[in-house]
Amino acid sequence: SAVISQKPSRDICQRGTSLTIQCQVDSQVTMMFWYRQQPGQSLTLIATANQGSEATYESGFVIDKFPISRPNLTFSTLTVSNMSPEDSSIYLCRVAGGRLDNEQFFGPGTRLTVL
Amino acid sequence: AQKVTQAQTEISVVEKEDVTLDCVYETRDTTYYLFWYKQPPSGELVFLIRRNSFDEQNEISGRYSWNFQKSTSSFNFTITASQVVDSAVYFCALSGWAGGTSYGKLTFGQGTILTVHP
Repeated sequence: SAVISQKPSRDICQRGTSLTIQCQVDSQVTMMFWYRQQPGQSLTLIATANQGSEATYESGFVIDKFPISRPNLTFSTLTVSNMSPEDSSIYLCRVAGGRLDNEQFFGPGTRLTVL
Repeated sequence: AQKVTQAQTEISVVEKEDVTLDCVYETRDTTYYLFWYKQPPSGELVFLIRRNSFDEQNEISGRYSWNFQKSTSSFNFTITASQVVDSAVYFCALSGWAGGTSYGKLTFGQGTILTVHP
């Protein structure tokens, strides 16, 4: 199974600032996904990050607010820009491609609180 | 479009009772994956099972069992002899098959909060 790590595990930020979340996988994967889970809610896909191409964003999410980088096959970052309290959520990354069983796993999540 | 419905928002049981969590899905894909995840209070998502759409055989893993019925588009999850440690939010999810446009993208249900009382 893939080992997926995220940094930071949690953070408390002031409104108007930005936070970059990192996702690292221990093996090469084709696709990396970023999800958001607002308090008491289900998970929603923000975007798909493919190495060597622009991220693909889901409806309701835009690059200016959630810029994503994917410099190689084991790493991606998600930035939450110009944060407001509504951005307080758990942000999780997930992978697919590479070893088949990679698809089952999520990173441990980044718990973000915006004051 | 894909959709997953978990009609039970919250379930409360007493330890040792059996409990079934319902999941109904919608998809236009002919092949797909179905998942169940557990999310304890710590927030981490714990993978429980992945099922291919062409494999309707029921599966049992310890106290956990899953009933997949393609005819009714359901993928229900049963915990036998529930324990306090089973208390968590449980999510059912659906993703497309490899090569399809929805490959790898998980569509989640709203989740069921399970509370097991001692």
